[in-house]
Amino acid sequence: QKEVEQNSGPLSVPEGAIASLNCTYSDRGSQSFFWYRQYSGKSPELIMFIYSNGDKEDGRFTAQLNKASQYVSLLIRDSQPSDSATYLCAGMKSSGDKLTFGTGTRLAVRP
Amino acid sequence: DAGITQSPRHKVTETGTPVTLRCHQTENHRYMYWYRQDPGHGLRLIHYSYGVKDTDKGEVSDGYSVSRSKTEDFLLTLESATSSQTSVYFCAISDGGGLRTGELFFGEGSRLTVL
Repeated sequence: QKEVEQNSGPLSVPEGAIASLNCTYSDRGSQSFFWYRQYSGKSPELIMFIYSNGDKEDGRFTAQLNKASQYVSLLIRDSQPSDSATYLCAGMKSSGDKLTFGTGTRLAVRP
Repeated sequence: DAGITQSPRHKVTETGTPVTLRCHQTENHRYMYWYRQDPGHGLRLIHYSYGVKDTDKGEVSDGYSVSRSKTEDFLLTLESATSSQTSVYFCAISDGGGLRTGELFFGEGSRLTVL
C-alpha cells in the first residue's frame, strides 16, 4: 500500500463546476499535507498546504483534512479550463521531514 | 520564479555510460532534492541535501550518487546508466525549517533516455 494514494483519473468536470480531488494516506503519523499542480510537460508548483483538521481556503481553492479518516481533499470552485492539470498530494510525517507524493490525479475541465 | 536551473534538459545515452545531471540555484536555499517522475509512480525522492557536503538517501537511491560542494549546486550522477533509469528528473529546493520544508520549488526537469 502506498503511503499516499490518489485516483489517477482523469476527473472530468464542466467549466464552472466544483472539482473535488481526493487523497488518502496510510500513516497516521503524517501531520501535514501539500497540494501541487503540474501542467503537462511542466514542473510541479505548490498550491497550498494544510496541517489542521478542517478546511483551509485560498481563493477558489479549499483544502480539507480529516485525520480521523486519513483523507485530504482539494476543492476547486468555479473550475476553469486553465485548471486542467495533474494535482499531486504530498504528505509530511513531521515538521521538517521529507515529502511523500501520491501519483497524482489528472483533472480535465470541459469548456 | 525561483532561480533553479537544471542541465542538461534533455539527454539520450547508452546503457552503461555515466551521466551527471546538474542543479543550480540562486536562492541560497538550504535544502536541495532530486526526484524522478515516472508514469504510475509519481514523484519519488532519490537523494536530498540539507547543506554543503550533507546528503542523504531517498526511497529510490540505488544506482545514483550525489554531491554538493557548494550551496548553489547539487549534482546527481548515474555511475552506469540502465534503461530503468529512463525518466524525467526534477531538482527541487526548499528554504527549510518546519512546515516550510514541504514548500518545494522545482526546476524545469531533465528528460533522460537510456537506450
